[in-house]
Amino acid sequence: QSALTQPASVSGSPGQSITISCTGTSSDVGGYNYVSWYQQHPGKAPKLMIYEVSNRPSGVSNRFSGSKSGNTASLTISGLQAEDEADYYCSSYTSSSTRTFGGGTKLTVL
Amino acid sequence: EVQLVESGGGLVKPGGSLRLSCAASGFTFSSYSMNWVRQAPGKGLEWVSSISSSSSYIYYADSVKGRFTISRDNAKNSLYLQMNSLRAEDTAVYYCARDADFDYWGQGTLVTVSS
Repeated sequence: QSALTQPASVSGSPGQSITISCTGTSSDVGGYNYVSWYQQHPGKAPKLMIYEVSNRPSGVSNRFSGSKSGNTASLTISGLQAEDEADYYCSSYTSSSTRTFGGGTKLTVL
Repeated sequence: EVQLVESGGGLVKPGGSLRLSCAASGFTFSSYSMNWVRQAPGKGLEWVSSISSSSSYIYYADSVKGRFTISRDNAKNSLYLQMNSLRAEDTAVYYCARDADFDYWGQGTLVTVSS
């Protein structure tokens, strides 16, 4: 059960767009359309932002979008806002019927 | 409103046991799979275990297999995690999360394994 690979950190200025990648294998990200993204502010529980690669739960801003190509999924945040500063995690279903998370990416809004 | 409230965390010695609970409300608990996810201090999220709505399917991370047992009581709207043979590396905040997409999370309960 290997973790998915995410960049440790990304940054952007308010109003800009950023993309966070999440790389797995054909046994997880590449094999299923069950990739999710979570936002976690310090001391808080994670919050679901994207599910099944590109779907947004009710109440999540349309500034957040997800996509996938091969074994790599991506989360794009457009129109960066100060409140977007947080840790972001990807997760995928696996061929073993388990779940795996990425190591997390710290987003800094400059 | 969906609510998940974990309890049962605390300080335990290596080799000891602890049972975590997650009380669910605001949705039809018996219709959803449930999960435990943990986060060691200053570290990332780690999936621990999943259980299907009727308990027919249960899965564990390799790191806890053979030591942890997930269960649920649909009549009591509750999810459990029995943790045995605890190790220092099990120290973490343990969250319960709903469904395959982890669409709702509790606030977490801290488990500290230390002598």
